[in-house]
This record gives sequence, C-alpha cells and structure tokens, in this order.
Amino acid sequence: SAVISQKPSRDICQRGTSLTIQCQVDSQVTMMFWYRQQPGQSLTLIATANQGSEATYESGFVIDKFPISRPNLTFSTLTVSNMSPEDSSIYLCSVTDYEQYFGPGTRLTVT
Amino acid sequence: ILNVEQSPQSLHVQEGDSTNFTCSFPSSNFYALHWYRWETAKSPEALFVMTLNGDEKKKGRISATLNTKEGYSYLYIKGSQPEDSATYLCAFRWTNAGKSTFGDGTTLTVKP
Repeated sequence: SAVISQKPSRDICQRGTSLTIQCQVDSQVTMMFWYRQQPGQSLTLIATANQGSEATYESGFVIDKFPISRPNLTFSTLTVSNMSPEDSSIYLCSVTDYEQYFGPGTRLTVT
Repeated sequence: ILNVEQSPQSLHVQEGDSTNFTCSFPSSNFYALHWYRWETAKSPEALFVMTLNGDEKKKGRISATLNTKEGYSYLYIKGSQPEDSATYLCAFRWTNAGKSTFGDGTTLTVKP
C-alpha cells in the first residue's frame, strides 16, 4: 500500500494567480497521476508525472496551464496557473500498484 | 473516448435496506475494474479491484460482481447503515500503466 499526503488541503485564490500543490508518497513510485474533480463531474486525469522526463498530459490539458515537476521518486508538484473560477475543483494525486491510492485532495476555490 | 457510466446518480435509502449500483464500461481492452468509496474531505478508499470475468468479491456487507464480456459491474450493499453514506466510484483501467477512466459516481444517503 501507499500513503499519500498533499498540501495545501484547501485554498481560496484570486483569479489570475497561481497555486502549487505538493504531493508526497511514503514509498518510491515510477509514475504519479494528477486528477481533478470539478463540481458535479467525475474524476478526470490531468497528467502522468514521470521521474526524469516530461509529464504526459491528457487531451484538453496543457503544460502551460498545469506545469508539473517530478524531482524524485516520492514527490511531485502540480501548479494551476493563471487561475479562473472554472479551475475551482478538487485536485488529487495518485499512485498505483495492483490497487490505486489517492491523496486526500486539495480543494481549490477561485474567486 | 472511453465511456464509463454509473447508475443511479444518487440514491436515498432507509437504514437496513439493501441496495445496488451499476457501472458500465467498454467491453474491449479490459485490464481491471476498481470500486472506490469516497467520503467528503477524505481520500477515495479502494473497495475492490476486479480483473477476471465472473469475479465476485466481498468485504463485510459490501460485495461486487464483474462481467467483462458485456461490460458491467454491480456493487451491492446489504443492510445499509448511515455510515455507508458516501459517493461510490467505479474506474475502468485499460492498461497496467495505471491510467483509469472514472464514472461520475453514485451518491448514497442512508437515513437512520
């Protein structure tokens, strides 16, 4: 199993600013995944963060808006850039082995 | 685009009722089907990982079945309790690389 922590747990941000979310895993993992859940929507994969290479983004998500860092095998950050109210969501990081494990989420409200 | 659908969207039951939800997913390129329980302000909690057609898994009062040929899974809760109130998510995993497509979830409310 894996234990995942995220910071911050929640934040209220102003339009046009950026927020960096941190994800820490208690074991080394090759891939880390970033998801978001907009209000009333399902969990949607934003990107896969690979250690030592560029993140792989899903359709509809771009690096300029959601830059990701993966400096080592236990840590990753996701930045939500130039925020708008549409970015208000829960952001979760996740890792997998046989099962998939999630962090507690970061609840972001953009005003 | 992989479509994963869950029904119903929400469900309100009385304590002691038994209930079930459905998850529909593509019947091709199947790797695994995950069920999660997600309470507000907490991490999604893994309930089951199902990989084989005909799988039946059980954890306490909760059980799940899997039909990969027709692309559906059922989650059953026997004798619902107020603490079962949560959103139940299914996720279709089509590779061993960890990527999953999630359904919208079924939100269960159990009234005492």
